[in-house]
Amino acid sequence: NAGVTQTPKFRILKIGQSMTLQCTQDMNHNYMYWYRQDPGMGLKLIYYSVGAGITDKGEVPNGYNVSRSTTEDFPLRLELAAPSQTSVYFCASSYNRGSRNSPLHFGNGTRLTVT
Amino acid sequence: GNSVTQMEGPVTLSEEAFLTINCTYTATGYPSLFWYVQYPGEGLQLLLKATKADDKGSNKGFEATYRKETTSFHLEKGSVQVSDSAVYFCALYEGSGNTGKLIFGQGTTLQVKP
Repeated sequence: NAGVTQTPKFRILKIGQSMTLQCTQDMNHNYMYWYRQDPGMGLKLIYYSVGAGITDKGEVPNGYNVSRSTTEDFPLRLELAAPSQTSVYFCASSYNRGSRNSPLHFGNGTRLTVT
Repeated sequence: GNSVTQMEGPVTLSEEAFLTINCTYTATGYPSLFWYVQYPGEGLQLLLKATKADDKGSNKGFEATYRKETTSFHLEKGSVQVSDSAVYFCALYEGSGNTGKLIFGQGTTLQVKP
């Protein structure tokens, strides 16, 4: 009963490095999302996808890229890491788009530090 | 724009105390309202929801009533346990189909001491 799985759990990057945060779900959900959570702030939507091959920007997409080649996987790419990207990143999925009858299922998060 | 405001934390209570975490929202139309909970080291999970005015969501002893007149969705529990220690997020969803958006409050940390 895996649900939404994120890897890695922790990562430290140097400024300018790149990395990919992995996310996979086994619930056959159409919708997938990437959020970032900063201290004292609510979750901010980075990117989302409504199905394989379709992605769109959320509130804070700058500095990130995504792809959705399969229903299960939704990786998040940081090309040139900056200190402002230090945050906790959550991947989530839902059957429909986070609607009243389709709650989000979250992974356990990736804590990223950029120094 | 739409927004959700929660009371500042952390909230520190003794076991068996009464809990209230305030949540107010600003939205056009008639949003659905949610409380999500994040236990240490885990992702968020849905705690309860209400989809229309005067609805009461409940789960695990927690309750929240959708108050349209005061635009509020306060979370309550009559007797908290140490295991309730977590971060609680109020959220709203407004829209339909593919055009809606889920907006989270900043989260309120609850610490329950034995």
